[in-house]
Amino acid sequence: DTGVSQDPRHKITKRGQNVTFRCDPISEHNRLYWYRQTLGQGPEFLTYFQNEAQLEKSRLLSDRFSAERPKGSFSTLEIQRTEQGDSAMYLCASSLAGSAGNTIYFGEGSWLTVV
Amino acid sequence: DQQVKQNSPSLSVQEGRISILNCDYTNSMFDYFLWYKKYPAEGPTFLISISSIKDKNEDGRFTVFLNKSAKHLSLHIVPSQPGDSAVYFCAASGYSGGGADGLTFGKGTHLIIQP
Repeated sequence: DTGVSQDPRHKITKRGQNVTFRCDPISEHNRLYWYRQTLGQGPEFLTYFQNEAQLEKSRLLSDRFSAERPKGSFSTLEIQRTEQGDSAMYLCASSLAGSAGNTIYFGEGSWLTVV
Repeated sequence: DQQVKQNSPSLSVQEGRISILNCDYTNSMFDYFLWYKKYPAEGPTFLISISSIKDKNEDGRFTVFLNKSAKHLSLHIVPSQPGDSAVYFCAASGYSGGGADGLTFGKGTHLIIQP
């Protein structure tokens, strides 16, 4: 069990550029989540997948954000035309649907700084 | 409208003593609660959880208590150790064993263990 891994860990980009983050969940987990965390706040839910299906999206996920999980394994989160307000830590997490309780395990996060 | 509230932004406790972190929630549909620990620049690490059918769950130095009628839970750490210094997040889920949504987090409490 290698845990949830995210890449890149840090990204600095100019406003208006596109960025993409990748997440590899724990191998047997069928649910994958994206969260965002800003300073002084707890993680905020963005979206989640069960296998390859995207089942729910938060209102925080504007149309500049898109997430995919094409084969039900790894996932990507793309932010188009980045804005300074997008600067945050983007957290990926995974869980096993049907296990006792919905314990979600997080990766180490991807820091985004938009300058 | 915060559904999960951690009213103490920080807490300082002497090493060896008991640390008590508190969390209140407003949504009566929450039925699974978790505590996460987070170091700077890392993702949250799962600590302990409790289902709404229980009022106590213990794992080593960590015990979580749930008072459903008061919509309150607490995390006890005893004895507190220097490595426990971190930000602790309380989180709640609306369905155990699966569900349509991710977790709702509080804003966190920064626990500082004094030598």
